[in-house]
Amino acid sequence: EAQVTQNPRYLITVTGKKLTVTCSQNMNHEYMSWYRQDPGLGLRQIYYSMNVEVTDKGDVPEGYKVSRKEKRNFPLILESPSPNQTSLYFCASSSDRDPTPMYFGAGTRLSVL
Amino acid sequence: GNSVTQMEGPVTLSEEAFLTINCTYTATGYPSLFWYVQYPGEGLQLLLKATKADDKGSNKGFEATYRKETTSFHLEKGSVQVSDSAVYFCALRLSGGSNYKLTFGKGTLLTVNP
Repeated sequence: EAQVTQNPRYLITVTGKKLTVTCSQNMNHEYMSWYRQDPGLGLRQIYYSMNVEVTDKGDVPEGYKVSRKEKRNFPLILESPSPNQTSLYFCASSSDRDPTPMYFGAGTRLSVL
Repeated sequence: GNSVTQMEGPVTLSEEAFLTINCTYTATGYPSLFWYVQYPGEGLQLLLKATKADDKGSNKGFEATYRKETTSFHLEKGSVQVSDSAVYFCALRLSGGSNYKLTFGKGTLLTVNP
């Protein structure tokens, strides 16, 4: 079964405490990306990756880092989280051969206190 | 820049009512257009898509036609069910380039009452 798996699903943390949200896909997809969803704003892209070791900024990259050391994994790193990063985060993947549709993970709800 | 505008919600309908959710877009080039659905507590799922002008996407009784002349991609369903209650997102993606980024509208919450 094709899957994009995010962990954790829910996370409450405090300002400044580094955290990582993991994302893994089992479809051998080249393309992966991270979005955040905020009320009234829809989904906005944070970072994307075209393949291993190739990453680039999306529309709202400030305060986030990513890495792509393996094709299947694309973790999102918040080095020093702040309350304005409280949001619902989605990881997505798709194939070069068929860039759409994108497969989305179930989401990670993050609260930064 | 590229953008998607969809009608403000929430939309509340009775079961078996007709649904229209309006979506218009602004884009340079020739985008592909999509509707995604997000059920409570879940991630987004692709509902339907259209990749060129006059294409009609359809799935699960939903339809949308790519209208280049009006830059629109309105979502319709003839008879909604309670199980259609969800948030619906219109999105576009430009062909070519190296970022398969989807540009989303803000979403429309649909509630269908029995």
